[in-house]
Amino acid sequence: NAGVMQNPRHLVRRRGQEARLRCSPMKGHSHVYWYRQLPEEGLKFMVYLQKENIIDESGMPKERFSAEFPKEGPSILRIQQVVRGDSAAYFCASSRDSDHGNTEAFFGQGTRLTVV
Amino acid sequence: AQSVTQLGSHVSVSEGALVLLRCNYSSSVPPYLFWYVQYPNQGLQLLLKYTSAATLVKGINGFEAEFKKSETSFHLTKPSAHMSDAAEYFCAVSDGTGGFKTIFGAGTRLFVKA
Repeated sequence: NAGVMQNPRHLVRRRGQEARLRCSPMKGHSHVYWYRQLPEEGLKFMVYLQKENIIDESGMPKERFSAEFPKEGPSILRIQQVVRGDSAAYFCASSRDSDHGNTEAFFGQGTRLTVV
Repeated sequence: AQSVTQLGSHVSVSEGALVLLRCNYSSSVPPYLFWYVQYPNQGLQLLLKYTSAATLVKGINGFEAEFKKSETSFHLTKPSAHMSDAAEYFCAVSDGTGGFKTIFGAGTRLFVKA
């Protein structure tokens, strides 16, 4: 069973470009979470999605950031018109429904975004 | 609402010494608690988790943590530090309802001196 897969692992964008980060959850997982880790800081929750639904986006910046988890395919975190302050590591995690007794979210290796 | 506080952003110990990383949590429901380790430029690896079974939880690499409800704490310990333990450690809490949105502490960087 493959783990949570994130790609690309490293992404370089010029200021003003768009960044698209992909996350394929573990097989059987229908919950996806995105976190951002700024240099020398902990992980900050951004958004929680289930298939085709955004459940909690309380950690998402109000502008330029969006996330989706379509019925088919990976979850996408999109950052439009990137700025240098968006440079960070973005981690995706997935979990099964809690009713199935799974008790944790599993994390991907992260995508390190550098804005130049 | 849930929150996690890790006391001490940096901890330094000598090789062979006791490791103690402190974590206090706040949760309005019985929590699930986790410790993760992150090595440089790596993702997060689960060390151990508390899920309301035994209050003393044993994890990988010789780490363990004790859940103390009265103190709302979940401190991480290891009897004898090894150089390979040098990393960033994150305490996290989840309420487990309808998914496992996890809230993280700010992290504690562990340095191990030879």
